[in-house]
Amino acid sequence: AQTVTQSQPEMSVQEAETVTLSCTYDTSESDYYLFWYKQPPSRQMILVIRQEAYKQQNATENRFSVNFQKAAKSFSLKISDSQLGDAAMYFCAYRSLETSGSRLTFGEGTQLTVNP
Amino acid sequence: DAGVTQSPTHLIKTRGQQVTLRCSPKSGHDTVSWYQQALGQGPQFIFQYYEEEERQRGNFPDRFSGHQFPNYSSELNVNALLLGDSALYLCASSPDGRLAGLPTDTQYFGPGTRLTVL
Repeated sequence: AQTVTQSQPEMSVQEAETVTLSCTYDTSESDYYLFWYKQPPSRQMILVIRQEAYKQQNATENRFSVNFQKAAKSFSLKISDSQLGDAAMYFCAYRSLETSGSRLTFGEGTQLTVNP
Repeated sequence: DAGVTQSPTHLIKTRGQQVTLRCSPKSGHDTVSWYQQALGQGPQFIFQYYEEEERQRGNFPDRFSGHQFPNYSSELNVNALLLGDSALYLCASSPDGRLAGLPTDTQYFGPGTRLTVL
């Protein structure tokens, strides 16, 4: 079974600065997807960014980028030019491509605070 | 284009009762997944429905059951409620790969149903 670990329960960043959230995962599979989701106090889980394991190039979405290290099984999220609206709980998630169905396995989350 | 919707928003039940939660997927999506999120934790996968059949199931007891209707909407039923069932229940929808032109690897979540068991 796959596991996802987020070792930082809480992080804080100053507005306009850069912050990196860590995620590691354990799997014996070679084909999978990784995701970062954001969950603000409204509870709605929002997709931030997605990475296909077969792609060596790191995914980017505007101010959000990832550092995907497949051999190390590491998938960190970098938020540049942090904004107050980035404050939320961030979850890293894994999806296998070697089993039928598309279940997500989530980490425990990192609570990000953005200070003005 | 409506996103994933869930009802009710909040629900309070007592131990031993039964509860039904409802989910309507995003337009064009035919696969529905349910997750349980306890306070301060990450979501845990309960099960997934596709073509009105349970396709995958997580490590949850048989008290948790579901159903998918021909219009792709879904219900989550929990029998014999326990205090530990108190949580946020999230529904997520995604398109199956056989729907040409749609990304198949991303789940879109609803706002959740907050269940409190007293």
